This record gives sequence, C-alpha cells and structure tokens, in this order.
Amino acid sequence: AQTVTQSQPEMSVQEAETVTLSCTYDTSESDYYLFWYKQPPSRQMILVIRQEAYKQQNATENRFSVNFQKAAKSFSLKISDSQLGDAAMYFCAYRSVGNYGGSQGNLIFGKGTKLSVKP
Amino acid sequence: KAGVTQTPRYLIKTRGQQVTLSCSPISGHRSVSWYQQTPGQGLQFLFEYFSETQRNKGNFPGRFSGRQFSNSRSEMNVSTLELGDSALYLCASSFRARGETQYFGPGTRLLVL
Repeated sequence: AQTVTQSQPEMSVQEAETVTLSCTYDTSESDYYLFWYKQPPSRQMILVIRQEAYKQQNATENRFSVNFQKAAKSFSLKISDSQLGDAAMYFCAYRSVGNYGGSQGNLIFGKGTKLSVKP
Repeated sequence: KAGVTQTPRYLIKTRGQQVTLSCSPISGHRSVSWYQQTPGQGLQFLFEYFSETQRNKGNFPGRFSGRQFSNSRSEMNVSTLELGDSALYLCASSFRARGETQYFGPGTRLLVL
C-alpha cells in the first residue's frame, strides 16, 4: 500500500521569505501523480500544484514550485516570497494512475504541515 | 464555472441517528469522491463514483454508503451514527480521465452528540 509522510507538523516563515515543506512517499508503482493541497482556516481544500511522475521537469505555479526526486521518493514544496495569505495547512497527496473503466485512483494524504507566516 | 457545492455545511446529530450529505460536482465533471477528515486519522478516502457506479471504496464500515445520480450529483449516508463519526466530510469532483485533478468542495462539518 502507498503511504505519504510529512515529517514537519508545523513550520514558520517570515513574510517575503522562502520556505520548503517536505514530503516523502512510498510506492511500488512507476506511474502516479503527486499533489500539494492547501487548506486555510475556512477548511476549503485548494489545489496548489501537481506533478506527473513520468515528467522529469519540476512543476511550477507562480511562487510555488516543487523538487521532485523520483528515485528518492521525495516531493518537496517551495514557497517563494511568502505572503500572509499562504498561512494554512498544506497536504501532500499521492494518487495512482487508475484504470480505464474502473477506479480513477483515490488520493492518499499525508498528515499535513501547518504553515504560519509572520509579518 | 461554479465550484463543487456541498450541503448542508454544518450538521448536528445524536448517536444512533442517520444522516445524508449531498455533493454537486463542477459542471461537466462525472467523477465524485468522498473523504473524511478528522484530527486523529487525518484525511481518509470513503468512496469514488462514476456513472452512478461505485468504482472504489475505502476501509469504512457498511454504515457508510453512497450513491450517484444521473446528473453526477452524489449523496453519502451514514446510518447509526457514532461519536467517532464527527468529522469534516469532503467531496471532490473530476472530469474523469486518467490524471485529472480532483477539486474539492467546502465540506460538511458533522458533529455527533
């Protein structure tokens, strides 16, 4: 079974600084997807970024980028120029490719990292 | 395009009662998944529906059930509520293709007394 581990329960960053959240996962599959979701106090789960395992290039979305190390099964999230609105719980998630006509594959989440942003 | 909607947003029930939660996916999305979020267990997968058929199920007792309608709207039902069922229930939808991202609704917060 696949597992996702986020070893940092809480992290703090100064506004405008850069912070990196860590995530490791375990799987025997070669093709899969990885995601970072953000959950602010409103509890709405918001997609931050996604990475396809078959792509070597690291995904980037504005101030958010990932460092995907497939061999090491590591998937860290870097937030540049941190803003007060970035304060939230961040969840790393894994999803299998799924089967045509069958399951699409459910998300497997880590326990989350609570990010605080200091003004 | 409107996002995923869930009703009700908040619910208080007592032990032994049953509850039905509703989820309307993003227009055009045909796959709906449900997750339970608790402080102790984190986010856990409940079920996945596509074309009114359950495609995948998590490790939850039979008291948890769901269904999907022809318009892709989904409901989940929990019978004989227990205190441990208190949680945030999240619904997520996707278009239904390999690799499609799941987009989440705001959740239904259920409190069982």
